[in-house]
Amino acid sequence: GNSVTQMEGPVTLSEEAFLTINCTYTATGYPSLFWYVQYPGEGLQLLLKATKADDKGSNKGFEATYRKETTSFHLEKGSVQVSDSAVYFCAPGSARQLTFGSGTQLTVLP
Amino acid sequence: DGGITQSPKYLFRKEGQNVTLSCEQNLNHDAMYWYRQDPGQGLRLIYYSQIVNDFQKGDIAEGYSVSREKKESFPLTVTSAQKNPTAFYLCASNQGGGLAKNIQYFGAGTRLSVL
Repeated sequence: GNSVTQMEGPVTLSEEAFLTINCTYTATGYPSLFWYVQYPGEGLQLLLKATKADDKGSNKGFEATYRKETTSFHLEKGSVQVSDSAVYFCAPGSARQLTFGSGTQLTVLP
Repeated sequence: DGGITQSPKYLFRKEGQNVTLSCEQNLNHDAMYWYRQDPGQGLRLIYYSQIVNDFQKGDIAEGYSVSREKKESFPLTVTSAQKNPTAFYLCASNQGGGLAKNIQYFGAGTRLSVL
């Protein structure tokens, strides 16, 4: 099955700082890769995805590139905002299910 | 609006009691999932169902039961056998049919506490 190792948090940044959250995975086969975001007290929302090697997923200024050679899918944003404060989950996906990382808590200070 | 509705938002269980968490979706999705989230941790899969009248155990199924009698509904029962039920429970669904369609959509969650 799949497994994922995600950068431990919490991460605290000032507004407009650069963000990187590391994610590496192990998988049988060729998974799709996802980043989900969870705002306080809510369920998870899809942030971005990539389905094959070298694909770049992007949304709301966040980006992540599917790196098959390093089995990584690091999340980046050039300039974070206070509204980006949330928990971020990396998740490789097989045909039947997703495997979620432990989540990285991000707090952005004004 | 299409989406996943979980109810109730908050639930309290007495010792020895079974409680049922509701999950309804109007997305016409084939597959539905139940996850458990503990504070500061990721999601762990409890049960999933790829099609009506069929479901499989996930990683932590002990002490839980499910049914899938209708496509749009996937209720989760937390039984008295689950000795540590306090957690945030998330229901999800996806269209099914392989990698390209396995984006999961989540409900807002039910927070279960033990009295």
